Amino acid sequence: DADVTQTPRNRITKTGKRIMLECSQTKGHDRMYWYRQDPGLGLRLIYYSFDVKDINKGEISDGYSVSRQAQAKFSLSLESAIPNQTALYFCATSAGSGTATYGYTFGSGTRLTVV
Amino acid sequence: DAKTTQPNSMESNEEEPVHLPCNHSTISGTDYIHWYRQLPSQGPEYVIHGLTSNVNNRMASLAIAEDRKSSTLILHRATLRDAAVYYCILRPSGAGSYQLTFGKGTKLSVIP
Repeated sequence: DADVTQTPRNRITKTGKRIMLECSQTKGHDRMYWYRQDPGLGLRLIYYSFDVKDINKGEISDGYSVSRQAQAKFSLSLESAIPNQTALYFCATSAGSGTATYGYTFGSGTRLTVV
Repeated sequence: DAKTTQPNSMESNEEEPVHLPCNHSTISGTDYIHWYRQLPSQGPEYVIHGLTSNVNNRMASLAIAEDRKSSTLILHRATLRDAAVYYCILRPSGAGSYQLTFGKGTKLSVIP
């Protein structure tokens, strides 16, 4: 089993629909992240969570919300999907506190298409 | 945020060494240099990181210039599986250590 599992892998949804992307991890890491990747661009941070009660907005949080249901689970929701939210979404985890000596572990991604 | 500059693309022959450069002239004294790679249709994968000294692991080596304004990721023997986009990223220590800011990276093509 993968260390970081994202579901679904692919999803097509209609404009205005609510959709949830789920992420679970077996790394035992406290920190979890949601990123978005658009063609030709690098990954951009949507939300991050340092623990279950600590959730923070990233650089592009508008139109998104998150829920940290447990240490191992972090979900991303699009309350009312719009076409420019069509992208590849990645969940990631990391250990550590106040140090840059740990690497991130990424999931395989969810390809979301909003029509 | 400290920024990095990488070539858009590079090519290598299979089984040859590959040197992927990264410039980071505005690096601060507490920034770590991280490298990730992203294979097609996959999430980014951690490769290696370092602060001042050269580093080796099972995947690659990282050579850091003495003034820390540049670094080079070295793949000792490229395989077809190494074809990916390689990202050089500066990560601050302390409160901002969670930050992992991706640029456009270098797309490495490996020729059989």
